[in-house]
Amino acid sequence: QVQLQESGPGLVKPSETLSLICTVSGDSINSYYWSWIRQPPGKGLEWIGYIYYTGNTNYSPSLKSRVTISLDTSTNQFSLKLSSVTAADTAVYYCARDSGVLFYMDVWGKGTTVTVSS
Amino acid sequence: DIQMTQSPSSLSASVGDRVTITCRASQSISRNLNWYQHKPGKAPKLLIYAASSLQSGVPSRFSGSGSGTDFTLTISSLQPDDFTTYFCQQSYNTPWTFGQGTKVEIK
Repeated sequence: QVQLQESGPGLVKPSETLSLICTVSGDSINSYYWSWIRQPPGKGLEWIGYIYYTGNTNYSPSLKSRVTISLDTSTNQFSLKLSSVTAADTAVYYCARDSGVLFYMDVWGKGTTVTVSS
Repeated sequence: DIQMTQSPSSLSASVGDRVTITCRASQSISRNLNWYQHKPGKAPKLLIYAASSLQSGVPSRFSGSGSGTDFTLTISSLQPDDFTTYFCQQSYNTPWTFGQGTKVEIK
């Protein structure tokens, strides 16, 4: 059974870089697309971007200038870096497996809360 | 970006009720619409993909329909485990976008 687990600091200072890792177990990262999604408090879900196992990426235009998604096949992990964070980046961050072709997200992590505060 | 408008934002129902949730896209998305169930503190769960395909392992009381701009998730007979939040997602164009969610509460 495929499982995803997000990890990283729960508190980040304004203007710094938010860094999260998603560890994939039960399947190889060498296939599929791998997405990051977030949900600010009291708001809806926002797709951040995805990375294909080849390394190709696709980012949301609203975050593109600050986002980097990468993957490490040796550790079966993919990561998110979001630079110059503000309080508006406070959210629950999820990683998910994106099926490709029809692009439905069929496996998600439980999410990790990141608060941006000094 | 494609805007997804989900309704209602919440509803109250009883066990055994038939429940319908609607998602409307700001432009045609063909059948590229997915439905998820999300319980607090847990990973969202895919229920329906491509508008009407039931994800493996999902009970048959869940069904989806629609194409173009209007889509529906139906729970034919609400069970105690179903009282939670549901949201839709379009996968027609990036950026993928989501509905605001529907919270199904016990009447």
